[in-house]
Amino acid sequence: GQNIDQPTEMTATEGAIVQINCTYQTSGFNGLFWYQQHAGEAPTFLSYNVLDGLEEKGRFSSFLSRSKGYSYLLLKELQMKDSASYLCAALDSNYQLIWGAGTKLIIKP
Amino acid sequence: IAGITQAPTSQILAAGRRMTLRCTQDMRHNAMYWYRQDLGLGLRLIHYSNTAGTTGKGEVPDGYSVSRANTDDFPLTLASAVPSQTSVYFCASSALGDSTGELFFGEGSRLTVL
Repeated sequence: GQNIDQPTEMTATEGAIVQINCTYQTSGFNGLFWYQQHAGEAPTFLSYNVLDGLEEKGRFSSFLSRSKGYSYLLLKELQMKDSASYLCAALDSNYQLIWGAGTKLIIKP
Repeated sequence: IAGITQAPTSQILAAGRRMTLRCTQDMRHNAMYWYRQDLGLGLRLIHYSNTAGTTGKGEVPDGYSVSRANTDDFPLTLASAVPSQTSVYFCASSALGDSTGELFFGEGSRLTVL
């Protein structure tokens, strides 16, 4: 079956760095997405990786290893507003998105 | 710019009643989607439409129907609501029908079926 695994919850300190991991098993692969979702709000797009390597976008970076079925989202210089859930989703061979349950990130002062 | 608008934002419904969740986008996106989000589970696709006039079934289509009469509107209907359909429903759209494009989500409709 198809599956996305990511930690349920993580805690980090304001100003620090945190890495949120995601492993995926899908029938074929056409890329991996990260979305941010604040409590009670809609998900918003953060990144899309289809090739191996690191994509940097300001304080956020996303990494992909296709051979390992692995991705991570790196958040630097954490701010209180980064407290949210981070959703990992993989695109399978039929271009269907398979979503993880999300990682709730708690930022402490 | 509104983006995607969903209505209602919240609704309490008696089991057995019919309910339509409305979704309208003003971005002229070809593809539209309906997801449900439940605690501890990932977003699950209910139905989708790659272009006006066509629809397809997602992962959890039973008990739901959709229509796509034009580009902008994609309503989701629960013919006879059951308590297991209590959830938060998100409508989304993307410019690309193959899902490699960014998804834009509405603010969600919280539905409680009693």
